[in-house]
Amino acid sequence: NAGVMQNPRHLVRRRGQEARLRCSPMKGHSHVYWYRQLPEEGLKFMVYLQKENIIDESGMPKERFSAEFPKEGPSILRIQQVVRGDSAAYFCASSPRGQTQYFGPGTRLLVL
Amino acid sequence: ELKVEQNPLFLSMQEGKNYTIYCNYSTTSDRLYWYRQDPGKSLESLFVLLSNGAVKQEGRLMASLDTKARLSTLHITAAVHDLSATYFCAVDTVETSGSRLTFGEGTQLTVNP
Repeated sequence: NAGVMQNPRHLVRRRGQEARLRCSPMKGHSHVYWYRQLPEEGLKFMVYLQKENIIDESGMPKERFSAEFPKEGPSILRIQQVVRGDSAAYFCASSPRGQTQYFGPGTRLLVL
Repeated sequence: ELKVEQNPLFLSMQEGKNYTIYCNYSTTSDRLYWYRQDPGKSLESLFVLLSNGAVKQEGRLMASLDTKARLSTLHITAAVHDLSATYFCAVDTVETSGSRLTFGEGTQLTVNP
């Protein structure tokens, strides 16, 4: 059973470009979570999604960030007009409802 | 707002010694998790603690939970170099069960020969 998959693993963008991060949950998991880890810090919750629904987006910045989990395909975290402060590791986790979250390998975003 | 605090944040140990990492949290919790993260890597689930008095052990690591004190501990016995990593505790709260984890700042553990 493949684990949580994220791609790309590393992403370099210039200021003002868009970043798209993809996450495929573990088989059988219908709940997806996105977290951000700034250098030398812990993980901070961003958004929780189920298929075609955003359940909790209270951790998402109000502007430039959006997330989706379509009926088919991976979950996408989209960052528009990236700035240097967006440089971080972005982790996706998945779970069956109410159970342990399993984390993907992360996408390291560097904004030049 | 839920707060999760770990201490110490940095821990340098000699091989063979014992030590404890503490995790305090500010509100009622459904579950408490311990994760390990190696540099540049993802998070590996170590323990899930579900109830007051829960104790789990795996190798040289033992985790416990006191829900009344809102405290979890991760005890390291006879440390070895391979345990060097950053350890995070995370809390899944009653209000938001299943929707988010709130993480501590992490404890960066270095085990020296």
